[in-house]
Amino acid sequence: AQSVTQLDSQVPVFEEAPVELRCNYSSSVSVYLFWYVQYPNQGLQLLLKYLSGSTLVESINGFEAEFNKSQTSFHLRKPSVHISDTAEYFCAVSSPTGAQKLVFGQGTRLTINP
Amino acid sequence: GAVVSQHPSWVICKSGTSVKIECRSLDFQATTMFWYRQFPKQSLMLMATSNEGSKATYEQGVEKDKFLINHASLTLSTLTVTSAHPEDSSFYICSARDGPDNEQFFGPGTRLTVL
Repeated sequence: AQSVTQLDSQVPVFEEAPVELRCNYSSSVSVYLFWYVQYPNQGLQLLLKYLSGSTLVESINGFEAEFNKSQTSFHLRKPSVHISDTAEYFCAVSSPTGAQKLVFGQGTRLTINP
Repeated sequence: GAVVSQHPSWVICKSGTSVKIECRSLDFQATTMFWYRQFPKQSLMLMATSNEGSKATYEQGVEKDKFLINHASLTLSTLTVTSAHPEDSSFYICSARDGPDNEQFFGPGTRLTVL
């Protein structure tokens, strides 16, 4: 069975400060890893994903995440956040084969203060 | 990206009644749809996976006779909560994809409140 742990339920930061949202996973098989973002009153949107290849993946809005197999982590980072980044962020894992069902972490609420 | 809609966005019903929630893929054909449930301040929990034209596969602990899922076409799946009770109150979210290895696109969710 797979599981995902997001260590921080809430992360408040000031605008233009760096941020890291932590994600650790558990799986007995190889995995695909995802970060989703949920803005208020909207559905989840895929932010970035790791399927294979380079362990560092980037999104179009400045976020990046690095797959660390030895530490079973996939932390999300951004060097300088904006007010518009305020949202709920979910880390998820799936198996590369079969139904490829997503298993989500508990979510981290990122609040950007001016 | 592709768009998935849900209807209604919220519903309030009396205990014992049944409620149907629709999930539609608006601009692609969804061979697979997923239904999730999200409790306040908790993660999304997968309830079932449905493939067009076949019976849904339910996750362990999910009552298939209570949560009826129909995926009759490539653009529509429905979740019917039968004989709803207050403990069924939750946020129900669907997602859809048009093939294996493809991205899941999520609907905005439906908030169900059972009085």
